Amino acid sequence: DAKTTQPPSMDCAEGRAANLPCNHSTISGNEYVYWYRQIHSQGPQYIIHGLKNNETNEMASLIITEDRKSSTLILPHATLRDTAVYYCIVRVATAAGNKLTFGGGTRVLVKP
Amino acid sequence: DTEVTQTPKHLVMGMTNKKSLKCEQHMGHRAMYWYKQKAKKPPELMFVYSYEKLSINESVPSRFSPECPNSSLLNLHLHALQPEDSALYLCASSHPQGKLFFGSGTQLSVL
Repeated sequence: DAKTTQPPSMDCAEGRAANLPCNHSTISGNEYVYWYRQIHSQGPQYIIHGLKNNETNEMASLIITEDRKSSTLILPHATLRDTAVYYCIVRVATAAGNKLTFGGGTRVLVKP
Repeated sequence: DTEVTQTPKHLVMGMTNKKSLKCEQHMGHRAMYWYKQKAKKPPELMFVYSYEKLSINESVPSRFSPECPNSSLLNLHLHALQPEDSALYLCASSHPQGKLFFGSGTQLSVL
């Protein structure tokens, strides 16, 4: 399974953009990059996913490099409620089902 | 309805007890998952059910026994657990190749 590498922690100022990097250099051509976040003691929440192209939704933007070996999640205007652990995941789709293998994640602290 | 509901939210059990965790979804998803999460660690995949059949077992000890009675329900039966099994147990569901929706989890303490 493709592994991901993320910085363990990051601080961000409220109202500023937060850029969260992820390295997935062993990703295969048909594997998607997913981002989830987990606020303390809650279940992980889906943010966004992509294959090759950049993606944007109401929560965030996902920038994937052309060689697909890394990506960046962008939270455009961080709020205090965005404080959470953010997981970058490479989804392995097998005949037996989806495998989302979580890496260590980045603990993001948004400060006033 | 985009919720995955897990019950109970908290559970305390002794090492000789038998208990069950329950998970329910009404999104028409045909894949359901159990994850285990220790404190300050990422979730770890335990089981995957696809179309009510067990499709992935990540070498989980037999004291954890999953069951999928129908397409909306997923149970995790617990027997003779150890204190190190104390963790947050997360259920998730998805369309077969789609994004996972997670429940809020059951916080389990084994005494």
